Amino acid sequence: AQSVTQPDIHITVSEGASLELRCNYSYGATPYLFWYVQSPGQGLQLLLKYFSGDTLVQGIKGFEAEFKRSQSSFNLRKPSVHWSDAAEYFCAVGASAGNNRKLIWGLGTSLAVNP
Amino acid sequence: NAGVTQTPKFQVLKTGQSMTLQCAQDMNHEYMSWYRQDPGMGLRLIHYSVGAGITDQGEVPNGYNVSRSTTEDFPLRLLSAAPSQTSVYFCASRRGGTGVGREQYFGPGTRLTVT
Repeated sequence: AQSVTQPDIHITVSEGASLELRCNYSYGATPYLFWYVQSPGQGLQLLLKYFSGDTLVQGIKGFEAEFKRSQSSFNLRKPSVHWSDAAEYFCAVGASAGNNRKLIWGLGTSLAVNP
Repeated sequence: NAGVTQTPKFQVLKTGQSMTLQCAQDMNHEYMSWYRQDPGMGLRLIHYSVGAGITDQGEVPNGYNVSRSTTEDFPLRLLSAAPSQTSVYFCASRRGGTGVGREQYFGPGTRLTVT
């Protein structure tokens, strides 16, 4: 069955520290991969996406993610976290072929940033 | 562009009442969808539409109706509200009717409480 797992429900980091949020997926086909961010009381915003090509993808707000097919992972990273990065982060996976119109969403990782 | 707008932002209903959550987008997107977000359950797709006049069910459609008479609007109707429908509702839209490779744009959400 298709699934997306974000193993960490909640992460706390200090401002200026590096960050890695994990995302593992189970999908038979070559996937589209996304990371979205949800600031408190807001809707979701796309951080970055991977379709094909270079497995290291750059996104907005200084985030990047690396697709590792052998590990079925698409982990999100940021070298130095800012207090404004405190938010909920969602990984999502979709089919790259066929008429599948739905994304499969992870349950999210809540990020807290200590000053 | 206003993007995706949702009204109301907050709503309290009594069990058995009906109401319509409004969603509009001004980006001429073919695809629109409704999600509900509950703690620990991530985003769950309620209904979606790949174009005017075409709607389909998502994961959790029971108790909700939708219609898509125009490209811009995609209202969600609660037929007879139940406490289990207490949630935050997000409307989203994207280009392209089929496939999932495009960025989704989310509205700010409607926080619904059913007592």
